[in-house]
Amino acid sequence: GAGVSQTPSNKVTEKGKYVELRCDPISGHTALYWYRQSLGQGPEFLIYFQGTGAADDSGLPNDRFFAVRPEGSVSTLKIQRTERGDSAVYLCASSLTAGETQYFGPGTRLLVL
Amino acid sequence: EDQVTQSPEALRLQEGESSSLNCSYTVSGLRGLFWYRQDPGKGPEFLFTLYSAGEEKEKERLKATLTKKESFLHITAPKPEDSATYLCAVQGRRDYKLSFGAGTTVTVRA
Repeated sequence: GAGVSQTPSNKVTEKGKYVELRCDPISGHTALYWYRQSLGQGPEFLIYFQGTGAADDSGLPNDRFFAVRPEGSVSTLKIQRTERGDSAVYLCASSLTAGETQYFGPGTRLLVL
Repeated sequence: EDQVTQSPEALRLQEGESSSLNCSYTVSGLRGLFWYRQDPGKGPEFLFTLYSAGEEKEKERLKATLTKKESFLHITAPKPEDSATYLCAVQGRRDYKLSFGAGTTVTVRA
């Protein structure tokens, strides 16, 4: 079946702009996770949803970052007033339920100029 | 806070030259230890989950083992297509996030 998909695959924006990154999880997966990966590093946890609710947002770096999952499927990561330090690959993963194996999408490469 | 350290950072192997990657971890109650493979420009691809010390899992030329403090990923007779970055991650019992190491980049020359 289809895996996790993310759009766009690449996003270039200017400092101070607003961006939205989208994640479509594997069908039937109730848990969804966002991670951020900088060059040469492993992914870092941002936020996790069980169903529609954010069960753990302890990894969000500041209040410029926000994520939603209104219908318990697709999720959108929103970044306000982007900064050059936000440049990274944003990865989405989903699992059948919390605690099960997480399967990752291809990522969105964000570049803030 | 959960911590994962992988070594070496990079490994260059000749085709057929077996070797091992190390993942040392500290976690407050281990729920699972995960190995992923990541190719350039792609997302991590799941390989194995290990749950308790002494457990071993195999897939083709890869074998993962687990102790109370570390995990090893053994690559037997590698081929050029095994070239990738291998990521180790732990999941603690307090939450469901994965804490990753920085990875080991393996290059296998023909």
